[in-house]
Amino acid sequence: GAVVSQHPSRVICKSGTSVKIECRSLDFQATTMFWYRQFPKKSLMLMATSNEGSKATYEQGVEKDKFLINHASLTLSTLTVTSAHPEDSSFYICSARGGASSETQYFGPGTRLLVL
Amino acid sequence: GQNIDQPTEMTATEGAIVQINCTYQTSGFNGLFWYQQHAGEAPTFLSYNVLDGLEEKGRFSSFLSRSKGYSYLLLKELQMKDSASYLCAVSDSNYQLIWGAGTKLIIKP
Repeated sequence: GAVVSQHPSRVICKSGTSVKIECRSLDFQATTMFWYRQFPKKSLMLMATSNEGSKATYEQGVEKDKFLINHASLTLSTLTVTSAHPEDSSFYICSARGGASSETQYFGPGTRLLVL
Repeated sequence: GQNIDQPTEMTATEGAIVQINCTYQTSGFNGLFWYQQHAGEAPTFLSYNVLDGLEEKGRFSSFLSRSKGYSYLLLKELQMKDSASYLCAVSDSNYQLIWGAGTKLIIKP
């Protein structure tokens, strides 16, 4: 149990385009989902927290207009990187919390984004 | 402020035992987590401690002392596949996870 999927696993796009990343909890209802980014050999950095049906809470320094988060249902959250630039290239990872072990965050496999 | 401390890197030998320590200072405490992260992959959940004591799960055990703000992850019978980063994270009073920087564990034959 507690499986989280993420799609796509890898994406390459041109500068200026938008990229949408989906995060799904497959076998539990995720009351809260989290979006992280991680640069090579660096720590996880929390970008935002989203609860189903409400606006996401962004961490300091994260532009909400650039990183659009939608948590439309208890099993799906999306992150859209708008007008992507090369500096947005990173490893984006979602996690979901809920289900039987409501304290534990379960991570998706991550999406590697490369902006050319 | 909130702070999680763990060693940056550790080296151990295949078949041996290693203990990875984590100390924390947070505003409130709702549990401590250990995650394993292989290079280029997302973290995977290992353990959750909310009460003092030792939790054993196969080759991995996790210990918590809330009064000391201290936890450790114990890995026994080390295998080469255990080479990874081990992340300590504490759930604070708002149930937000405060992450340590991770301990890179290198296993040598």
